[in-house]
Order: sequence, then C-alpha cells, then structure tokens
Amino acid sequence: EDQVTQSPEALRLQEGESSSLNCSYTVSGLRGLFWYRQDPGKGPEFLFTLYSAGEEKEKERLKATLTKKESFLHITAPKPEDSATYLCAAPTTDSWGKLQFGAGTQVVVTP
Amino acid sequence: GAVVSQHPSWVICKSGTSVKIECRSLDFQATTMFWYRQFPKQSLMLMATSNEGSKATYEQGVEKDKFLINHASLTLSTLTVTSAHPEDSSFYICSANRAVGSQPQHFGDGTRLSIL
Repeated sequence: EDQVTQSPEALRLQEGESSSLNCSYTVSGLRGLFWYRQDPGKGPEFLFTLYSAGEEKEKERLKATLTKKESFLHITAPKPEDSATYLCAAPTTDSWGKLQFGAGTQVVVTP
Repeated sequence: GAVVSQHPSWVICKSGTSVKIECRSLDFQATTMFWYRQFPKQSLMLMATSNEGSKATYEQGVEKDKFLINHASLTLSTLTVTSAHPEDSSFYICSANRAVGSQPQHFGDGTRLSIL
C-alpha cells in the first residue's frame, strides 16, 4: 500500500534556528516527490519536485533532497514568514495523476 | 499568480441544502481535475478525479450520489454536495495539472463548508 509519512508533526523554531523535516515513502517505482507549503485556510502552494535519488532543489531558505527511501526539507535560518504546514506527496502506484499526501509538518517560527 | 481558482471560499448553510463549488483553471485547459477534502489538522484526502466530458472517478468510500462532479468544459469542474449535513462540513480543495500527464498539480485556495 502506498504510504507517505512525515515527521515531526509539529516544529517550533526560533528565528534563525535551522532544522529539517522528514518525508518517508513506500511507493513502488517512485515517479516523483513533491513538496508543498500550506498556509491556514489556503490551498497548498507548490515548492519543489524531486525525481531521482541524489537530486536537490533550492528556493530561498528551503532546500529539498531525495534519497531512495525519504526526502528532507531543510529550512536554513528561518524567518517568521516561513511558518506554515509543509506537505509532501507522491504519485500513487496505480496512477501518475493521483497524489498520496503525508499528514504534514506544522512549522512555527518565532521572532 | 494563481493558476487555479475556486469559488466560493466560504459557505455556511442549513442542513439539507445542496452546495455547489466551482473550480476553474485560469490560463490553461485541464482535461482532468482533482477534488480533495481536508479535515482540521489532517492532510488532504483525494475524493475523486474529474474528467472532462466523461464521468468522474471516485475514491473508495466516497458516495458519488452525495458528491456530484461535473466537468463540462476544459476550464471548469464543479462539485455539488447534495443534501448537506453537519458531517459534510470540511475544507474542499480542487487541483489541476497544467498539461496532461505533467506535474505538479496546482491547487485552488479551497472552500470552507460549514453546515449548521
């Protein structure tokens, strides 16, 4: 069964305190791993797509990496505006178009 | 800017009312759109895949007579929650891919549905 698991559930950081979020997956023949950011009351906003182990993508203070079993989202020197829920997702085994989402990591960055 | 628009953003209505939610792709044609449901502090759960010009495909456990999906044009899909009850209260979100078979999916801003 396809599963995407994120940890931790919640993360509270001081401004400038770097950390990493984890996304592990059990999807056969992974065809992509996606990271989204979701603000309260909003739909997910696309951040990154990773396709193969060893791949890395960066955007401002965020860097996403991928191994054969998991992905990490590194937040470097976070600012309060980085506070959000971060979701990872992978296409399901039976359909490229359907996404299996993890439960998300809620990140709060305090000044 | 936004590539998928969803309307309305918030609905409050009485039990027994039917509610229609619209999802539009703004600058591209979407032959397939997806409808998700999200409960507080939980992740997105796929409800159904909306296919332009044909019937929607529903995920296991989702009542197709309860959640009617119509994808009558290449830029518009609608979800109608029929005879809504308090347990249908949730956050409904749609998404679309810019091109067939491409990723990522782009999401609308969601519709908060509250049934009294």
